[in-house]
Amino acid sequence: QQPVQSPQAVILREGEDAVINCSSSKALYSVHWYRQKHGEAPVFLMILLKGGEQKGHDKISASFNEKKQQSSLYLTASQLSYSGTYFCGTEYNGDKIIFGKGTRLHILP
Amino acid sequence: NAGVTQTPKFRILKIGQSMTLQCTQDMNHNYMYWYRQDPGMGLKLIYYSVGAGITDKGEVPNGYNVSRSTTEDFPLRLELAAPSQTSVYFCASSRGQAPTSPLHFGNGTRLTVT
Repeated sequence: QQPVQSPQAVILREGEDAVINCSSSKALYSVHWYRQKHGEAPVFLMILLKGGEQKGHDKISASFNEKKQQSSLYLTASQLSYSGTYFCGTEYNGDKIIFGKGTRLHILP
Repeated sequence: NAGVTQTPKFRILKIGQSMTLQCTQDMNHNYMYWYRQDPGMGLKLIYYSVGAGITDKGEVPNGYNVSRSTTEDFPLRLELAAPSQTSVYFCASSRGQAPTSPLHFGNGTRLTVT
């Protein structure tokens, strides 16, 4: 039931783009995305609710393909502040949220 | 608003001891959650609650107990602590209801069992 995230880790130079994927073996109600800095709590980025929905937040956007049961997070022109671990959280029936193992993103200057 | 407050921030327990991790929120959120985070393993759901008086098991409930007597508080009880319970524990809350709403996390409790 735990969603699968890929890749496990990414190293980029500032200004480069990244894509983080999240897939589920079960039909999804919604997908959440969070970012966690080292030693801190996860912080909410966005929620996607509908099949084919896309949302954006500054240069971070995401898509949700309900039919394929997967979501992707897009980080465009990455900044140093984007470094951290990104988690997708999947919701199957409107109550509990199950997280993937995370993708570690490291941005080099 | 303080948001989600967890106490204590750090705790060291001896094997077999018991303790309660406190979590309180002042946002009048219906849903509350307990997660544990081990290195490289992401966030694992221990228990969750969709309202006062209602609790349900998550992915890894063994060795833990919870109660939800008020909307604000959702304590997590560890009975007979074991080294496998060494972890960082996060409490979270959300407004709940459809459509789904974001989780607000507390700052975590770092627990070591030796």
